[in-house]
Amino acid sequence: GAVVSQHPSWVICKSGTSVKIECRSLDFQATTMFWYRQFPKQSLMLMATSNEGSKATYEQGVEKDKFLINHASLTLSTLTVTSAHPEDSSFYICSARRGGGRYEQYFGPGTRLTVT
Amino acid sequence: AQSVTQLGSHVSVSEGALVLLRCNYSSSVPPYLFWYVQYPNQGLQLLLKYTSAATLVKGINGFEAEFKKSETSFHLTKPSAHMSDAAEYFCAVSDLDQGGSEKLVFGKGTKLTVNP
Repeated sequence: GAVVSQHPSWVICKSGTSVKIECRSLDFQATTMFWYRQFPKQSLMLMATSNEGSKATYEQGVEKDKFLINHASLTLSTLTVTSAHPEDSSFYICSARRGGGRYEQYFGPGTRLTVT
Repeated sequence: AQSVTQLGSHVSVSEGALVLLRCNYSSSVPPYLFWYVQYPNQGLQLLLKYTSAATLVKGINGFEAEFKKSETSFHLTKPSAHMSDAAEYFCAVSDLDQGGSEKLVFGKGTKLTVNP
């Protein structure tokens, strides 16, 4: 149990376009989902925390209007990178936490975004 | 705020040798601590976690870690390395943001290489 999926696993888009990444908890309800960004050979940096049915909480330095997060249901959160630029190229990883679980985050397999 | 320091960005061992990956944390309260493993182009998999119970924590794949409060350390060990252990390892501490929401703070990671 506790499987988290991401779609797509990799995506290439042109500069100036928008791309949406989905994060799904397949076998549990996730009241909280997290979005991370990982640059090559670096650690994960938390971008934002989203709670089902409410606005996401963004970490300092993360542009809210550029990285749109929606957590419309207990099993789905989406990250939309708007007007993507090459510097947005990165590995994006989501995680999901069960309702009531203080610390257990289950991670998705990640999405590789390349902006050309 | 909590922070995590992983000593050594790269560790190389021979197959069958002891694996020791170091992690030190800073925390003003008893922490929850985690070790995750990441294989290339994949998400994170939880190896083990410390949640204020037994100080010696056993995880998957033969890994274990010992919480030492006096040293603020949570080093990861495995008695005998296997080729399949080659991966990136992340230590993380659970932190609370200003709104009381829990999040993970990751170390920079240690890449483990296992030589035949």
